[in-house]
Amino acid sequence: AQSVTQLDSQVPVFEEAPVELRCNYSSSVSVYLFWYVQYPNQGLQLLLKYLSGSTLVKGINGFEAEFNKSQTSFHLRKPSVHISDTAEYFCAVSFSYNTDKLIFGTGTRLQVFP
Amino acid sequence: EAQVTQNPRYLITVTGKKLTVTCSQNMNHEYMSWYRQDPGLGLRQIYYSMNVEVTDKGDVPEGYKVSRKEKRNFPLILESPSPNQTSLYFCASSEIDSTSYEQYFGPGTRLTVT
Repeated sequence: AQSVTQLDSQVPVFEEAPVELRCNYSSSVSVYLFWYVQYPNQGLQLLLKYLSGSTLVKGINGFEAEFNKSQTSFHLRKPSVHISDTAEYFCAVSFSYNTDKLIFGTGTRLQVFP
Repeated sequence: EAQVTQNPRYLITVTGKKLTVTCSQNMNHEYMSWYRQDPGLGLRQIYYSMNVEVTDKGDVPEGYKVSRKEKRNFPLILESPSPNQTSLYFCASSEIDSTSYEQYFGPGTRLTVT
């Protein structure tokens, strides 16, 4: 069965430090991969996506992610975080046979400390 | 401004009292869906709609109803709410067969059933 795993439920980090949020997926078919961010008391906003082509994708707010097909991963990275990056981050997958259906991971809460 | 709106944003109700959460989008999207977000479970799809008068169950449809009489509106109905439906609810919309594959989310409705 297709699924998405976010191994870290919480990631605390100090401001200006680098961060990586991990995402692994399980699928027997081609996938499209997404990272969404949810700021406090707001809806979800698309951060970046991988559809095809270059495996390194860049998103908004200085985030990037790398698609690794052999490891079925799509980890999110930022070289230097800001206080304003404090939010919940969701990895999501859709499949080539049903691109409208999103399967979400359980989320990772990034807490940035001064 | 392109957006998905939900009302109300916050709702406290009692067991068994019917309620409706409205969702409206102004992007002429065909696809609309409802998700619930629970701690440690991420977002799970409740119902979705591919177009007017076309709705189908998602992963957790029990206890919910939806309707799609107009393209822009997709209300979520709880005929007899129970405490296990206390959750954060999101409506989302997207174009079908879009090349962007992006879903747009509303701001969320926090429902408490006592």
